Amino acid sequence: DAGVIQSPRHEVTEMGQEVTLRCKPISGHDYLFWYRQTMMRGLELLIYFNNNVPIDDSGMPEDRFSAKMPNASFSTLKIQPSEPRDSAVYFCASRPSGPNTGELFFGEGSRLTVL
Amino acid sequence: RKEVEQDPGPFNVPEGATVAFNCTYSNSASQSFFWYRQDCRKEPKLLMSVYSSGNEDGRFTAQLNRASQYISLLIRDSKLSDSATYLCAVNRLGGGGNKLTFGTGTQLKVEL
Repeated sequence: DAGVIQSPRHEVTEMGQEVTLRCKPISGHDYLFWYRQTMMRGLELLIYFNNNVPIDDSGMPEDRFSAKMPNASFSTLKIQPSEPRDSAVYFCASRPSGPNTGELFFGEGSRLTVL
Repeated sequence: RKEVEQDPGPFNVPEGATVAFNCTYSNSASQSFFWYRQDCRKEPKLLMSVYSSGNEDGRFTAQLNRASQYISLLIRDSKLSDSATYLCAVNRLGGGGNKLTFGTGTQLKVEL
C-alpha cells in the first residue's frame, strides 16, 4: 500500500521566491497534518485538516504561510515569499478517523533550503 | 519552558547495553503519550504508546509518571539497529486529541 507521498523531496530556492509543497495522504485517512522540523525547534505542528476542512492553523508561523486541501487526496503548503529562516524539513502526515491511537503516518518529508 | 523536553544526547552505548531516556512534559492536562523513532534523514514512525500502568514490547519498556510529569523509554540488550533518534509525543485534551506535541528527540548511537 502506498504511504503518504510528498513532493518535492528537496527544494533549493532563493529568498523571496514562492514555494509550494505537495502531499497526498493515505487513501481513506480523514486527518492530514503539516509539520515542520528543525534542529532547534524539533517537530512543530503547523496546521491540520479533518475531511478537507482546516481545523487548527494556530501553528502557522505567519501570513506568508498558507495551506489548502481541495480534496481528500491532495494538500498543499505554500510559502510566499520565502525567507532563509523557513529552511527546514516539512512533513505531511495522515491518520484515519476512529479512536485516536496517536499513530500518525508521515511522508518522507520535503527538505527546503532558502538561500 | 517547552511543552515537551528531552535530553538531546547523543547517548553512545555499547551493543548489549541497557539505556533509558526520559521526557518531561509541562501541561498537566496531557492525556496520552507516545514514543516515536526517527532514523537519520527519514520520517518519524510510531514505536509504542505509553500506558499508565507501563507497557513492554520486546526489548522496549515504556513508563509514565503522572505525578512527576515524565515518560521514560528503556531499551534492553541494545542492537546496532536501535541507533536512531527517539521522539516523545504528548497529546493534550481538547482539539479532538489531534495536537500531538513532539519533543526535539534524543539521539542514540549503539556501537560495537
